[in-house]
Amino acid sequence: GQQLNQSPQSMFIQEGEDVSMNCTSSSIFNTWLWYKQDPGEGPVLLIALYKAGELTSNGRLTAQFGITRKDSFLNISASIPSDVGIYFCAGPSNSGGSNYKLTFGKGTLLTVNP
Amino acid sequence: NAGVTQTPKFRVLKTGQSMTLLCAQDMNHEYMYWYRQDPGMGLRLIHYSVGEGTTAKGEVPDGYNVSRLKKQNFLLGLESAAPSQTSVYFCASSHHRSSYNSPLHFGNGTRLTVT
Repeated sequence: GQQLNQSPQSMFIQEGEDVSMNCTSSSIFNTWLWYKQDPGEGPVLLIALYKAGELTSNGRLTAQFGITRKDSFLNISASIPSDVGIYFCAGPSNSGGSNYKLTFGKGTLLTVNP
Repeated sequence: NAGVTQTPKFRVLKTGQSMTLLCAQDMNHEYMYWYRQDPGMGLRLIHYSVGEGTTAKGEVPDGYNVSRLKKQNFLLGLESAAPSQTSVYFCASSHHRSSYNSPLHFGNGTRLTVT
């Protein structure tokens, strides 16, 4: 099946710093999704990207759909303590023609020191 | 709205015991999913359902069974628990066929330990 490689695996930053993480795939994706999981909770959708080159913002978060359609990037500006959590990239699995199953990356664990 | 509710929140089983995890959603969503989350492994799909009365295997279905007798409920069963099934289990639901038009709504997880 499709695999998503997410990096870095973890990040330790100071409050106020900017954060950048990325996700790559060996195959083309038609959609990229970024989810955040707060400690003790389920993931929540942050940003959805639908076409190559698209740049979308959600507050201090900005995500980009790579031109090659094999990668995506998530940036967080001016980090705050509540940004702590695990960030997952995800894309629809195309096996068997279905597009309602998501493949998730392994996640980036973000720790923000106040 | 409660969204997606999972019960129980925590459970400890002995090897060989059985149990059922319950997922309920009140959003009238067609699609429901069970994922497991393990350290360093991300979220892996166990089974999913595209509608009442239908189920299908995901990425890691072995050792699990599911049922979707009612649209709002999706049950995950472990017939004979093994230590390898120690994990955090997440249920999710979505409205439309295309996941990019209808994001997954996750429950808060069930932490299962098998000793």
